[in-house]
Amino acid sequence: KAGVTQTPRYLIKTRGQQVTLSCSPISGHRSVSWYQQTPGQGLQFLFEYFSETQRNKGNFPGRFSGRQFSNSRSEMNVSTLELGDSALYLCASSLEGHVTDTQYFGPGTRLTVL
Amino acid sequence: AQRVTQPEKLLSVFKGAPVELKCNYSYSGSPELFWYVQYSRQRLQLLLRHISRESIKGFTADLNKGETSFHLKKPFAQEEDSAMYYCALTSAGSARQLTFGSGTQLTVLP
Repeated sequence: KAGVTQTPRYLIKTRGQQVTLSCSPISGHRSVSWYQQTPGQGLQFLFEYFSETQRNKGNFPGRFSGRQFSNSRSEMNVSTLELGDSALYLCASSLEGHVTDTQYFGPGTRLTVL
Repeated sequence: AQRVTQPEKLLSVFKGAPVELKCNYSYSGSPELFWYVQYSRQRLQLLLRHISRESIKGFTADLNKGETSFHLKKPFAQEEDSAMYYCALTSAGSARQLTFGSGTQLTVLP
């Protein structure tokens, strides 16, 4: 089985721009979660999607949004980028998001905001 | 609010020595706890979870509700155990929203 894939792997943007990151889950997985990883704050939960619906949301401003398509692929969008948005963005997929389901992580997208 | 604390950012042990990575948590309710590992240039991956009571690669972790701890232990460390280890928790019934600790970088010296 192919693992979780994320595109692009690296991205450089300037303040004020917006960005869209993509995540393709493992085939058959319907739950996709997004995390932000920074040296200062560590790994923080952004949101989780299941069957095209956002089920959980972390404590991030509304500039961070996401969506999920019928094939379970997910995108996250960050508008009006700030320097502090520079981070590694990870997505993880699991069958249905139950505690007994293993979450499989992608390699991440490294976003740099200049 | 839920919180996971890993007090050691760095931990070095010699090959063959026992290793213990500490994890303390605060959560009002019944948490489910996990250990994730990230080897050099690899993805973050699940090592073990409390609900399964399993031992993976010789590692075990015991949930101590009285001390609110979930320390990871291995009796004889191997060089291939060198990695970043993250403790994480979620509410019982869902693994959708993980709260991670800051991680401990384990180095096993030859």
